[in-house]
Amino acid sequence: AQTVTQSQPEMSVQEAETVTLSCTYDTSENNYYLFWYKQPPSRQMILVIRQEAYKQQNATENRFSVNFQKAAKSFSLKISDSQLGDTAMYFCAFMAGNYRGGATNKLIFGTGTLLAVQP
Amino acid sequence: DTEVTQTPKHLVMGMTNKKSLKCEQHMGHRAMYWYKQKAKKPPELMFVYSYEKLSINESVPSRFSPECPNSSLLNLHLHALQPEDSALYLCASSQDVQRNSYEQYFGPGTRLTVT
Repeated sequence: AQTVTQSQPEMSVQEAETVTLSCTYDTSENNYYLFWYKQPPSRQMILVIRQEAYKQQNATENRFSVNFQKAAKSFSLKISDSQLGDTAMYFCAFMAGNYRGGATNKLIFGTGTLLAVQP
Repeated sequence: DTEVTQTPKHLVMGMTNKKSLKCEQHMGHRAMYWYKQKAKKPPELMFVYSYEKLSINESVPSRFSPECPNSSLLNLHLHALQPEDSALYLCASSQDVQRNSYEQYFGPGTRLTVT
C-alpha cells in the first residue's frame, strides 16, 4: 500500500522569503504521479504542480518548484517570493500508474502542512 | 474561477431527512469523484465514476448513494445520516486517465451539518 507523509504540520514564512515544504512517500510502483494541492482557508482545492515519476527534470510553475528525489522517495515543494495569498493548507498527493502506462484514479493525500505567510 | 460547481454550498439536515448534493463540470471530463473532508484533514475518497460507471466505492456506508446521470453531472444522495457524517463534501473531475490526463480539479464543496 502506498503512503504519503508530510512531517511539518505547520510552517510560517515572512512575505517575499522562500519556504520549502517536505513530503515523502512509500511505494513499490515504478510508474506514478505526484502532486501538490493548495487549499486556502474556506476556499477550494487548487492544483499547484505535478510531477511524473518517469521525468527526471523537476517541475516548475512560476514561483513554485519541486525537488523530486525518486531514489529517496522525496517530493518537496519550494515556494519562492512568498505572498500573503500563499497562506493555505498544502497537501502532497500520490497517484499510482496503471498497466497501460497511464494513471489510476485514486489520489492518496498526505496529512497536510498549514503554511502561514506573515506580512 | 472554477469549472466544477457544487450545490448547495451549505446544508443542514436531520438524521431522518433525505437530501442530495449536486456537482457539475463543464470541462468535458469523463471521470468524476466524491470526497469527504473533515476539518484540518486531507480529503478521503468515497466514489469514482469513469465514463458514467461506478468504478471505485471505498466501502462507503449505504446511507450515501452516488448517481451519475450523464458525463457532466454527479449526485450524492443522502439518507439517514449520522452526526459524524458532518463534513465538507468535495466533488472533483479529471479528463481521462487512460490518456494521461489525470489531474483532478476540485469544486468548492458542500459543507454538510447533520443534526
